[in-house]
Amino acid sequence: DGGITQSPKYLFRKEGQNVTLSCEQNLNHDAMYWYRQDPGQGLRLIYYSQIVNDFQKGDIAEGYSVSREKKESFPLTVTSAQKNPTAFYLCASSPTGTSGTEQFFGPGTRLTVL
Amino acid sequence: QKEVEQNSGPLSVPEGAIASLNCTYSDRGSQSFFWYRQYSGKSPELIMFIYSNGDKEDGRFTAQLNKASQYVSLLIRDSQPSDSATYLCAVNMKNYGQNFVFGPGTRLSVLP
Repeated sequence: DGGITQSPKYLFRKEGQNVTLSCEQNLNHDAMYWYRQDPGQGLRLIYYSQIVNDFQKGDIAEGYSVSREKKESFPLTVTSAQKNPTAFYLCASSPTGTSGTEQFFGPGTRLTVL
Repeated sequence: QKEVEQNSGPLSVPEGAIASLNCTYSDRGSQSFFWYRQYSGKSPELIMFIYSNGDKEDGRFTAQLNKASQYVSLLIRDSQPSDSATYLCAVNMKNYGQNFVFGPGTRLSVLP
């Protein structure tokens, strides 16, 4: 089955810890995205990547880092510099980097800071 | 300025009625428009997209776009309780590359 997988589904972080969220897709999509969703709010773009070994900051990149070493994988690290990381994190991909192509979402990771 | 606005709701309609969800956007040069449905605790799933002015129909769903008024809407005919969800409007804005700006979503409740 083709799709986007994210792991873990739930993640708990202690203060001062870095944690990494996994995102894998087998759709052969070029572009991948990370969003953050807070209760009652829309999605905000953290980072995006249109090709391997290249990525760009979104609107709220501070306190986050990413890598894109393989086309299928786009992991997100939430660093200790992110002061309010509790949120629902969504990974998405789209077939090409051209304008207007729809994005498809993984199931999400819910991160809670203890 | 990148803004997409939606009424947060909740919008309550009786089963079988037409639900009308509205979205306005700030960038007149916006090129493509998407509606996603998100059930509580789940990820968004694409319902429809529209690029040109006018109506686009897909089953019980109709998307309407008016670029002059910077307005896009989603109509759901014969609403079912299973349509109860949050509906997110996403806009691909001209000056934002290939990225989307999402609205805050409208929560729809279809009452049996």
